[in-house]
Amino acid sequence: EPEVTQTPSHQVTQMGQEVILRCVPISNHLYFYWYRQILGQKVEFLVSFYNNEISEKSEIFDDQFSVERPDGSNFTLKIRSTKLEDSAMYFCARNRLAGENYEQFFGPGTRLTVL
Amino acid sequence: GQNIDQPTEMTATEGAIVQINCTYQTSGFNGLFWYQQHAGEAPTFLSYNVLDGLEEKGRFSSFLSRSKGYSYLLLKELQMKDSASYLCAVLDSNYQLIWGAGTKLIIKP
Repeated sequence: EPEVTQTPSHQVTQMGQEVILRCVPISNHLYFYWYRQILGQKVEFLVSFYNNEISEKSEIFDDQFSVERPDGSNFTLKIRSTKLEDSAMYFCARNRLAGENYEQFFGPGTRLTVL
Repeated sequence: GQNIDQPTEMTATEGAIVQINCTYQTSGFNGLFWYQQHAGEAPTFLSYNVLDGLEEKGRFSSFLSRSKGYSYLLLKELQMKDSASYLCAVLDSNYQLIWGAGTKLIIKP
C-alpha cells in the first residue's frame, strides 16, 4: 500500500502564528481527511476533502482552519492564528481504495506544540 | 448527541483472550471500525463491520449487533506487543468517523 506521509513530524510555534501541515505525496485518491488528537484524548474529526473540495467539516473546523490541495498532490491543513489549545497530533488519512468511503489509513501525524 | 462508550482500561495476561466492548449511539450508521493505537503513533486499521455477525482475521475478531448498538473486539493468544489503545469508531450518516475514547489494554507476562 502506498504510504500516507506527513510533514513536518513536529512543529513548534508561537501563539498567533500561522502553521501549515502537509500530507505528501498522494495520488489516485479522492477522499482525504484531517483528524486531531489532543494528548490523552480521543481522535476528533476535523474535515473531509473529496475531489478537491471540502465534503464535511466538524464544529472544530472553524474559520481559523482551511484545507487545500494546491498542486494536485500535496494536501495541506492551515491554521491561521494558532491558539494554545491547538496543541495536538494532527493526522491525515485516506481511504484504502480510491473512491471508497471507508477503511481509512492514517499518516504518522504531525505533533503541533503551540507556546 | 452522538456517543461511543468503551472501557477506559483493561488488563490481561500474555497468551490469554480478551474482549473489548463498544456501545454506540450515532446519527446513522455506515459501519464500525476498530483501530489499534500505540502510544505516540497513528491509529492503524484492524477491522470493519457493517453487517451483523463475527468477522475473524487471524488472532483478532470483531463482532457487530446493529440492533443493540454493540460491538466487541476479541483478541486471542495475547502477545506483549498487543499492549496498546484500541479505538472503536462509527461512520455516521454523513460519513464522518465518530471515535470512542479508546481502551488502553495492558498485557502482563
